Amino acid sequence: NAGVTQTPKFRILKIGQSMTLQCTQDMNHNYMYWYRQDPGMGLKLIYYSVGAGITDKGEVPNGYNVSRSTTEDFPLRLELAAPSQTSVYFCASSGQEETQYFGPGTRLLVL
Amino acid sequence: QQQVKQSPQSLIVQKGGISIINCAYENTAFDYFPWYQQFPGKGPALLIAIRPDVSEKKEGRFTISFNKSAKQFSLHIMDSQPGDSATYFCAASIQFDRKLIWGLGTSLAVNP
Repeated sequence: NAGVTQTPKFRILKIGQSMTLQCTQDMNHNYMYWYRQDPGMGLKLIYYSVGAGITDKGEVPNGYNVSRSTTEDFPLRLELAAPSQTSVYFCASSGQEETQYFGPGTRLLVL
Repeated sequence: QQQVKQSPQSLIVQKGGISIINCAYENTAFDYFPWYQQFPGKGPALLIAIRPDVSEKKEGRFTISFNKSAKQFSLHIMDSQPGDSATYFCAASIQFDRKLIWGLGTSLAVNP
């Protein structure tokens, strides 16, 4: 049972490039979340999903897109990367209980 | 607008001492209050959580105290150890809404 896995661990992007951050969970959780974490700013919710085929915006969705075609996977797409998207990105999932289980994070640097 | 206000931003405690982190909220519809612990380079992990029907919950050296009338809750770490050095986040959510509202975090350092 790997829990929540994220790839890549670290990536450098040039301004204007695009990329997809991968997130997979093997706990059969319905709920999945994408957060970004900036120093001193806590965790900000980007997008979340309550089940396959259902996604909704969080607090800071601009510049990002998501899809949820399966229960296991919840990729986050960055289009036209900007320096403001330099951050650490965390994927999380939760099941019947409210505990959110986090992945190890993806560190993204946009130059 | 920060719906969950956490203090202090950073905290230094001697080994064996008590670490206290406080959070305050405004929305009386919140009914779930977890604390998460995050070590450097790792994702946050649930430490302990409480609902408003109890005023205190204890798990080992970690205790949540909850004051519904004051709209405040706090984390107490007894006999603090260097291994407790981490960032601690409080959070809150409304019943049936799985979205957590997070505090900004407290960086705790426990000196040996």
